[in-house]
Amino acid sequence: QKEVEQNSGPLSVPEGAIASLNCTYSDRGSQSFFWYRQYSGKSPELIMFIYSNGDKEDGRFTAQLNKASQYVSLLIRDSQPSDSATYLCAVNNSSGGSYIPTFGRGTSLIVHP
Amino acid sequence: DGGITQSPKYLFRKEGQNVTLSCEQNLNHDAMYWYRQDPGQGLRLIYYSQIVNDFQKGDIAEGYSVSREKKESFPLTVTSAQKNPTAFYLCASKDRGGTDTQYFGPGTRLTVL
Repeated sequence: QKEVEQNSGPLSVPEGAIASLNCTYSDRGSQSFFWYRQYSGKSPELIMFIYSNGDKEDGRFTAQLNKASQYVSLLIRDSQPSDSATYLCAVNNSSGGSYIPTFGRGTSLIVHP
Repeated sequence: DGGITQSPKYLFRKEGQNVTLSCEQNLNHDAMYWYRQDPGQGLRLIYYSQIVNDFQKGDIAEGYSVSREKKESFPLTVTSAQKNPTAFYLCASKDRGGTDTQYFGPGTRLTVL
């Protein structure tokens, strides 16, 4: 059973701070990793994907991957109230030629003014 | 505009009725997926299809059925056999090549009265 674990939160940070969201996964064969943002009542939207160990930066967002420790994290710098949402981690093992990601339950982030 | 559409946005069903949720995409994507999301939960895979006229069960297929007669369309039927169908239903698609990125439709919220 492939598992993706996230702290449900809520994680509360002040405006302008760095928010750190973490995700661990059980399948060592996982090859691609995704972070989605989901506002209440809306569908998930992709923020970032990462395939290789290390950091990947895109604007205020940085994804960090450590395959040896089986965790992936998302850092949000200069957090804004508009970043308040649930962040879903998704992990995929495409070795079988198919793409069936496993999603975590999500972490609720609250950025307060 | 290219994208994924789902209809209706809200759906109310009486117990014992079958209902069909529509999902259409004009992204020319090969793979399509149906997920169910319950409050505070991640996405659970119901069915997926990687090519026209072929589909596979996901983790929670019982009480659901799908068809994939056209590349653009992947309707989901929630049957009366599904004991607890009230949930948020999300359709997604992915291209065969490129990045392993899923694109989500806006979702259908189904409520059983």
